[in-house]
Amino acid sequence: ELKVEQNPLFLSMQEGKNYTIYCNYSTTSDRLYWYRQDPGKSLESLFVLLSNGAVKQEGRLMASLDTKARLSTLHITAAVHDLSATYFCAVDLIQGAQKLVFGQGTRLTINP
Amino acid sequence: SAVISQKPSRDICQRGTSLTIQCQVDSQVTMMFWYRQQPGQSLTLIATANQGSEATYESGFVIDKFPISRPNLTFSTLTVSNLSPEDSSIYLCSSSPGGAPYEQYFGPGTRLTVT
Repeated sequence: ELKVEQNPLFLSMQEGKNYTIYCNYSTTSDRLYWYRQDPGKSLESLFVLLSNGAVKQEGRLMASLDTKARLSTLHITAAVHDLSATYFCAVDLIQGAQKLVFGQGTRLTINP
Repeated sequence: SAVISQKPSRDICQRGTSLTIQCQVDSQVTMMFWYRQQPGQSLTLIATANQGSEATYESGFVIDKFPISRPNLTFSTLTVSNLSPEDSSIYLCSSSPGGAPYEQYFGPGTRLTVT
């Protein structure tokens, strides 16, 4: 059974600081997704990482994938209040089928 | 990116009744999926809706409880049958056009409350 674990589950940080959210998964997969969810809203696609060593950046967010370690990270640089949300990582249950198994989510609060 | 709409956006239903949720995508897509998000929780895949064939269900979900239709490449419905309070959740459909870059987009969700 594929398990996806995020760490931390809750994160409160100050504006301007840097931090990293970790996503570990239990079986082989070379496709990992990051989503953002605002309260009462649906999921917004942030990144799709398709291979070992993949790195993608958008604004203050950067995601990377290490398939050998079965680890992805989402790094936040110089956080701003607008980044407050819940962040989910997800992994393909069956490679190529796009049946996603989600992590528990990381609720990020950025304080002024 | 695909634009996905769902109807209804929310509903309050009585125990023992059923609710059918519609999902419409603005372009033809190969794959459509249905997920459940219980209050304060993460998302769990219910089933994959395949056009022209039966839906495939994940462990813990059965067709009698969650019948799915996929009549064409832009539309799907999920019915939640014989409702109980434990079915109170947000139900989201998602779609993927297939192929690189393998994006999967989500609809706005349907918030179901069972009383």
